[in-house]
Amino acid sequence: QVQLQQWGAGLLKPSETLSLTCAVSGGSFSGYFWNWVRQPPGKGLEWIGEISQGGRTNYKPSLKSRVTISVHTSENQFSLKLSSVTAADTAVYYCVRGAPVAARIYYGMDVWGQGTTVTVSS
Amino acid sequence: SYLLTQPPSVSVAPGKTARLTCGGNNIGSKSVHWYQQKPGQAPVLVIYYDSDRPSGISERFSGSNSGDTATLTISRVEAGDEADYYCQVWDSSSDRLYVFGTGTKVTVL
Repeated sequence: QVQLQQWGAGLLKPSETLSLTCAVSGGSFSGYFWNWVRQPPGKGLEWIGEISQGGRTNYKPSLKSRVTISVHTSENQFSLKLSSVTAADTAVYYCVRGAPVAARIYYGMDVWGQGTTVTVSS
Repeated sequence: SYLLTQPPSVSVAPGKTARLTCGGNNIGSKSVHWYQQKPGQAPVLVIYYDSDRPSGISERFSGSNSGDTATLTISRVEAGDEADYYCQVWDSSSDRLYVFGTGTKVTVL
């Protein structure tokens, strides 16, 4: 079945850029939106943004100025960059498979990565 | 932007039924998904498209959606059901696209 394996730096200083990558294995990379979701300590889930295999992106408006999600189709990978991080960006970050492109309404986020804890501290 | 409201906590005895609500303006017109998250783990999709179960999810989990409230029902509650539960919709008219509820902590007494 489809699996997501993610990696990236876990400790950052304020103003640095968060960088995470997620590899998709065991299934199709095309036909889906691929997402990043984060969860601050003790809080709920927050959608960050998504990308299709073709590179179409959508971002949460409040993060849009700092977020870049890119896709590396030949490697079945996608990445997240979040610039100018602050303590408020401290969270567990998940890469997630979203709904099929042709059926956005009907399907939820069904495959999640293991999560990466990112701490922003001086 | 679209908001989803969930009660912070629900307590239920083993073997009983837990009903978790998710409130949103005319949520009945949207497709609602539910996630279970146990401590230290990634969320797991337990209900999609209001009431469908992914493969491998127990039949004890069911969902409904009408009006301004969606409901996740957990029948014959077990100790292993203790977790946080989040509802979620995809809202093309929202600036956030994927909207998550505030989450409900289910405690099994």
